[in-house]
Amino acid sequence: AQSVSQHNHHVILSEAASLELGCNYSYGGTVNLFWYVQYPGQHLQLLLKYFSGDPLVKGIKGFEAEFIKSKFSFNLRKPSVQWSDTAEYFCAVFAGNNRKLIWGLGTSLAVNP
Amino acid sequence: ETGVTQSPTHLIKTRGQQVTLRCSSQSGHNTVSWYQQALGQGPQFIFQYYREEENGRGNFPPRFSGLQFPNYSSELNVNALELDDSALYLCASSSPLSEGGVETQYFGPGTRLLVL
Repeated sequence: AQSVSQHNHHVILSEAASLELGCNYSYGGTVNLFWYVQYPGQHLQLLLKYFSGDPLVKGIKGFEAEFIKSKFSFNLRKPSVQWSDTAEYFCAVFAGNNRKLIWGLGTSLAVNP
Repeated sequence: ETGVTQSPTHLIKTRGQQVTLRCSSQSGHNTVSWYQQALGQGPQFIFQYYREEENGRGNFPPRFSGLQFPNYSSELNVNALELDDSALYLCASSSPLSEGGVETQYFGPGTRLLVL
């Protein structure tokens, strides 16, 4: 069965630290990949997505992610986090002709000022 | 804001009751997907509606049912509520045709359901 795993459940960083959140999926065919963010008290918001082309995609608020097909990974990065990045981050995958978005469990990021 | 709205925002029901949750999709979107998000979990796909027809279903029992209307708004109905149905129910709208058949889903704020 297709699945998405996010390596870190809880991450705590200080402001200006660099961030990398891991995401791996299990599917050998064509995938479309997403990172969503959920700020406290707010709804899920699209951070960035990969459909095809350049495997390094840039999203909102300085986030980027790299699709590495050989590693089945789509890790999220930000060079310098801010307190306002405190949120829950979800990786999600559309795999093949499956019409459903498969989600990871999420990573809770807390950034200390 | 995505333009996707959901109502009500919060709801308390008792076991065995029935509930209807509503979703208005973003303008121009013809597809609505419903998800259940339990505390500390990622969203779980319930089903999707495209042009008023069910277009995919996750591992949820038949007591979870839905509708999509001609204006593309949607309802999620849950019968015979169980305690484990307590969760945040998310609606997402999308328009596959606008991105070559691949969907970017835009989420509403969710309805938080508590079953006592």
